[in-house]
Amino acid sequence: DQQVKQNSPSLSVQEGRISILNCDYTNSMFDYFLWYKKYPAEGPTFLISISSIKDKNEDGRFTVFLNKSAKHLSLHIVPSQPGDSAVYFCAATVWGGDMRFGAGTRLTVKP
Amino acid sequence: NAGVTQTPKFRILKIGQSMTLQCTQDMNHNYMYWYRQDPGMGLKLIYYSVGAGITDKGEVPNGYNVSRSTTEDFPLRLELAAPSQTSVYFCASSYGIAGEQETQYFGPGTRLLVL
Repeated sequence: DQQVKQNSPSLSVQEGRISILNCDYTNSMFDYFLWYKKYPAEGPTFLISISSIKDKNEDGRFTVFLNKSAKHLSLHIVPSQPGDSAVYFCAATVWGGDMRFGAGTRLTVKP
Repeated sequence: NAGVTQTPKFRILKIGQSMTLQCTQDMNHNYMYWYRQDPGMGLKLIYYSVGAGITDKGEVPNGYNVSRSTTEDFPLRLELAAPSQTSVYFCASSYGIAGEQETQYFGPGTRLLVL
């Protein structure tokens, strides 16, 4: 069962504009959500996270929003830069449990 | 500081062959993990370890074995390779349990093709 879903396999955005990556989950027990970024031939690297007790977390150009009632989170990148081009994975976990990953969204930022 | 290293980077196996994927971390992390990523899918946890001598199954453990004799090393063993094990394998580590307080650090991955 796929408990974390990223329904958009790819997203293309112009440099300087906003990128919005979406993620849905089915398990209401998840209490922590993370976004990882992955470049080709490299492992994923941690980008930003949010606890279920919050609805927003911001780190520079990156902001994650959590809507628990809709079981939905999103990652906003403003402004988008060509170096942001990568695959972004959404992940969720219950404390002490396995981390579940979405299938990823490939972001392309065009100069 | 190398972080998490994995060897080999790429390997082709014949059906029924065995191999060990190596993973080493130099961050003195307690927790280590093995994931696989199939095309178009998210990472799935195969096995994890909370410290030397302790391992446990993840979501997709069948066909694999692990051991954790030292804090640094967490090898993944495939005993009888099958085409369904064609995937990219990522090793990861974290100081504490991955989640709110701890993020996972990933290795670069091992691409395995079973023919």
